[in-house]
Amino acid sequence: AQKVTQAQTEISVVEKEDVTLDCVYETRDTTYYLFWYKQPPSGELVFLIRRNSFDEQNEISGRYSWNFQKSTSSFNFTITASQVVDSAVYFCALSEPVNSGNTPLVFGKGTRLSVIA
Amino acid sequence: DVKVTQSSRYLVKRTGEKVFLECVQDMDHENMFWYRQDPGLGLRLIYFSYDVKMKEKGDIPEGYSVSREKKERFSLILESASTNQTSMYLCASRYRANTGELFFGEGSRLTVL
Repeated sequence: AQKVTQAQTEISVVEKEDVTLDCVYETRDTTYYLFWYKQPPSGELVFLIRRNSFDEQNEISGRYSWNFQKSTSSFNFTITASQVVDSAVYFCALSEPVNSGNTPLVFGKGTRLSVIA
Repeated sequence: DVKVTQSSRYLVKRTGEKVFLECVQDMDHENMFWYRQDPGLGLRLIYFSYDVKMKEKGDIPEGYSVSREKKERFSLILESASTNQTSMYLCASRYRANTGELFFGEGSRLTVL
């Protein structure tokens, strides 16, 4: 069965610090997709990234970077030089494609990040 | 621009009332989902629909039902609301391809008194 674990419930950092949010997943499939979402105080989840299981290259987008390691079943998310606007709840999610293509995403419980000015 | 609209941001209902939560998407997506979000529990899937008039139970369907009469609209129904259904409800949609990301609405915060 699919499972996503975000062990860090809450993290608090001072502005400009770097912070890494951990995500560990479990799956029996060799083909799967991993996602990160951001939920700001307004409530709407915002898609950040999708990564398929065959692409282990790290991804960088501005101050955001993602480290995918199949060997440890982890897909960690790092924010460099954090800002107050990064304060949000961050969710990691997993999807296992099957023939019908209709399986839902399984989400972790989220990590609440607070960036203090 | 992609849009998922949930009819009510905040609702207050009484125990035993019937509650309708409406969700509309304008992207011609085939898949639609209802999640429930509670502190410490993350997002839990209630029901999803992969096409019109189709529905599948998620992880916590008890006490809920859904309706998908039109492709763009997916309704969540609480036949007899209870206090333990006080929560944030999130609707999402996705193009049929399983690799696609979900697009979420702003959420509906329901309080049952």
